[in-house]
Amino acid sequence: SAVISQKPSRDICQRGTSLTIQCQVDSQVTMMFWYRQQPGQSLTLIATANQGSEATYESGFVIDKFPISRPNLTFSTLTVSNMSPEDSSIYLCSVGGGAAGANYGYTFGSGTRLTVV
Amino acid sequence: AQSVTQLDSHVSVSEGTPVLLRCNYSSSYSPSLFWYVQHPNKGLQLLLKYTSAATLVKGINGFEAEFKKSETSFHLTKPSAHMSDAAEYFCVVSSRGSTLGRLYFGRGTQLTVWP
Repeated sequence: SAVISQKPSRDICQRGTSLTIQCQVDSQVTMMFWYRQQPGQSLTLIATANQGSEATYESGFVIDKFPISRPNLTFSTLTVSNMSPEDSSIYLCSVGGGAAGANYGYTFGSGTRLTVV
Repeated sequence: AQSVTQLDSHVSVSEGTPVLLRCNYSSSYSPSLFWYVQHPNKGLQLLLKYTSAATLVKGINGFEAEFKKSETSFHLTKPSAHMSDAAEYFCVVSSRGSTLGRLYFGRGTQLTVWP
């Protein structure tokens, strides 16, 4: 399975600022996803990062707040913009092979633990 | 539509006793089902998966799960708990055959193992 490097692993940020999280994969993957895990909660899908086109956002998430880039099949970034304390969460990158991923599971990065003060 | 219900938010067992983490699913299509484990301050790790082969699925660390279509369940079990099993466990469903292949997570079950 793919190996994911997600950076930073954690950060403490001031409200009103932005943080960009990077997800680097050691092989080309079809699908890349970004999830949020709020304290004590399950994972919520933010968006699907599409290579060469705009990301597909889930209900409740918008591009202005969570801009995503995916310049190639091995790399994606998620930016958390104009942060507030409510954005304090763990953000996770996930990769998989589309239908194959649906069949065989996905690999997750170790996550970015964000605290907004 | 796909969804997952984990029936217990917390489960506590003594070391050496059996573990049962319950999961019910809803899926419009033939589902793929997974259990992931998340240890404190660690990433998600795939424990096991069901993808339409044998209904009894064996995973890592002695865990197994049985797919029961009639009950729409996919409960996770282990015969004898170990202290290192203490973690958060997520039951996950996906739609097999979907080109998007997105995952739907349950709310998680926190497993505590007492010495």
